[in-house]
Amino acid sequence: DADVTQTPRNRITKTGKRIMLECSQTKGHDRMYWYRQDPGLGLRLIYYSFDVKDINKGEISDGYSVSRQAQAKFSLSLESAIPNQTALYFCATSDFIAGYNEQFFGPGTRLTVL
Amino acid sequence: AQTVTQSQPEMSVQEAETVTLSCTYDTSESDYYLFWYKQPPSRQMILVIRQEAYKQQNATENRFSVNFQKAAKSFSLKISDSQLGDAAMYFCAYRRGRGDDKIIFGKGTRLHILP
Repeated sequence: DADVTQTPRNRITKTGKRIMLECSQTKGHDRMYWYRQDPGLGLRLIYYSFDVKDINKGEISDGYSVSRQAQAKFSLSLESAIPNQTALYFCATSDFIAGYNEQFFGPGTRLTVL
Repeated sequence: AQTVTQSQPEMSVQEAETVTLSCTYDTSESDYYLFWYKQPPSRQMILVIRQEAYKQQNATENRFSVNFQKAAKSFSLKISDSQLGDAAMYFCAYRRGRGDDKIIFGKGTRLHILP
């Protein structure tokens, strides 16, 4: 079984709809992240959380919100989707170890907003 | 602010040949990590190799090696004996050594392997 899972894998929605992308992990990591990937732009950080009570904005948080329901679950919401939020969304996790801590990525969710 | 630049949007290499992907970065930090990630058509982000800035020795993982030039802020990836399975998007990335562990990605280089 995958250590970091994302649901749904693909989603098509309409402008103005509310949508939630979910991320679950079985790695026991405290830290979780949401990234957005656009063609030609690489991955950009939307939000990150270092534990259940800690939520931080990333580089491009406008238009998004998150919820850390438990150590293992981190959800990304688009309250009112717009076409320029069409992108590939990745969840990632990491453990805090003094020094280096690798980020492990989920399989991604491809979101299309019509 | 830290930035990561990959100047080659696409590259091609003949199977079994060697190819080098370029990456430059900008930072005022002395303690940081650099990474190369591979994204095949499956979309999965796979860590290929990492380099700690305090280490002078270039990292190597099987056919993948880096040329880390700290003074020049350059971090290139060399793939030897290229295989068809190496075809993917490759991202160079940076992370500060202390504090938050946010990763800053370059825009990527798409690598084509020619049979």
